[in-house]
Amino acid sequence: GAVVSQHPSRVICKSGTSVKIECRSLDFQATTMFWYRQFPKQSLMLMATSNEGSKATYEQGVEKDKFLINHASLTLSTLTVTSAHPEDSSFYICSASPRGTGFSPLHFGNGTRLTVT
Amino acid sequence: AQRVTQPEKLLSVFKGAPVELKCNYSYSGSPELFWYVQYSRQRLQLLLRHISRESIKGFTADLNKGETSFHLKKPFAQEEDSAMYYCALTSNYGGSQGNLIFGKGTKLSVKP
Repeated sequence: GAVVSQHPSRVICKSGTSVKIECRSLDFQATTMFWYRQFPKQSLMLMATSNEGSKATYEQGVEKDKFLINHASLTLSTLTVTSAHPEDSSFYICSASPRGTGFSPLHFGNGTRLTVT
Repeated sequence: AQRVTQPEKLLSVFKGAPVELKCNYSYSGSPELFWYVQYSRQRLQLLLRHISRESIKGFTADLNKGETSFHLKKPFAQEEDSAMYYCALTSNYGGSQGNLIFGKGTKLSVKP
């Protein structure tokens, strides 16, 4: 079945540094990938939609200059948290579905636990 | 505003007992509803969608537009059903699921 690989699974960084999270579709092509964030005891919130070859679409309230998204190929999207602060500590999850017509379920990565100290 | 509410953070039942995980939504149009499940140490995955009207692993969910609910039910719970369950909706009926709105999730614990 379709697999989405997310790396790293955990990262601890110091305040002010930048962190890159990778999301790869291992056995399918995805023109669109999605990035979610989940705070403790909260629901998954869509942050942005990553479009291959074009700019990402950000949800209201998400700073595009802080959360840089690059979707350089049909199998890779990256999320870079720039100048991270402790309030950015969260669980970040990416998802994608195989491109094509008709319904196709989203496949999720395992998530990345970011801790900013 | 679009919202998905799962009132129970934790639901604990005994094996063989019926299970109902509640989900209510707030949306003015015609949303598509989903249930996602996350088993221990595994990634989030689709369990079922209301359009398909299918039964997956014994679970069913009926969309009740009058009550704006999409409760997940199973007549006889099994230990392997223990997991985190998320109800979600998308406004893009039949299309891309990217703009999913998730509930906070309900942890189902099935005791032997």
